[in-house]
Amino acid sequence: DQQVKQNSPSLSVQEGRISILNCDYTNSMFDYFLWYKKYPAEGPTFLISISSIKDKNEDGRFTVFLNKSAKHLSLHIVPSQPGDSAVYFCAASGLYSGAGSYQLTFGKGTKLSVIP
Amino acid sequence: DTGVSQDPRHKITKRGQNVTFRCDPISEHNRLYWYRQTLGQGPEFLTYFQNEAQLEKSRLLSDRFSAERPKGSFSTLEIQRTEQGDSAMYLCASSFSSGSVEQYFGPGTRLTVT
Repeated sequence: DQQVKQNSPSLSVQEGRISILNCDYTNSMFDYFLWYKKYPAEGPTFLISISSIKDKNEDGRFTVFLNKSAKHLSLHIVPSQPGDSAVYFCAASGLYSGAGSYQLTFGKGTKLSVIP
Repeated sequence: DTGVSQDPRHKITKRGQNVTFRCDPISEHNRLYWYRQTLGQGPEFLTYFQNEAQLEKSRLLSDRFSAERPKGSFSTLEIQRTEQGDSAMYLCASSFSSGSVEQYFGPGTRLTVT
């Protein structure tokens, strides 16, 4: 079963507009969430993270929102730039919740295309 | 460049052959992870080391797979008697030890089994 779900395989956005990428999770033991960006033929690059004790974390153009009750998080990119075109993965960890595992559980990714 | 490095970047092998991949983590990281990624999927966890100790293994890591990190620095992942289903991108990541969750990935080794 897919514990981390990214239901939109792809998203197209005009340059300068906001990109919103969504992620849902089912495992209540997850308490730390991360977003990674991946270009073709490269490994995933860490982008931003959020702990379950927060509901928002910002880093420049990137903001992650967490709604624990809905088991939902989203990544906002404002303004979107053509260089942001990549596959974005949502990942979750249960490290601090008692699960004690360092493994990350990833979604299937959303391919973002920013159109100039 | 002080990022995670992996070698080789690409490997083509015939079914039944053994292959070995190498990962060099970021030098100050003492945790090292292996993941596998197939087309259309996110990375899937295989195994994890803290220093030289292998502390966690996924059920995905069948008996044909073995990983080592003999001196707590670089790591190797060996696949014996490769099968076509082993074709995937094998990713290595590393992280700090102090409860840090963020993992930093290498470029991956793409394995094609013919």
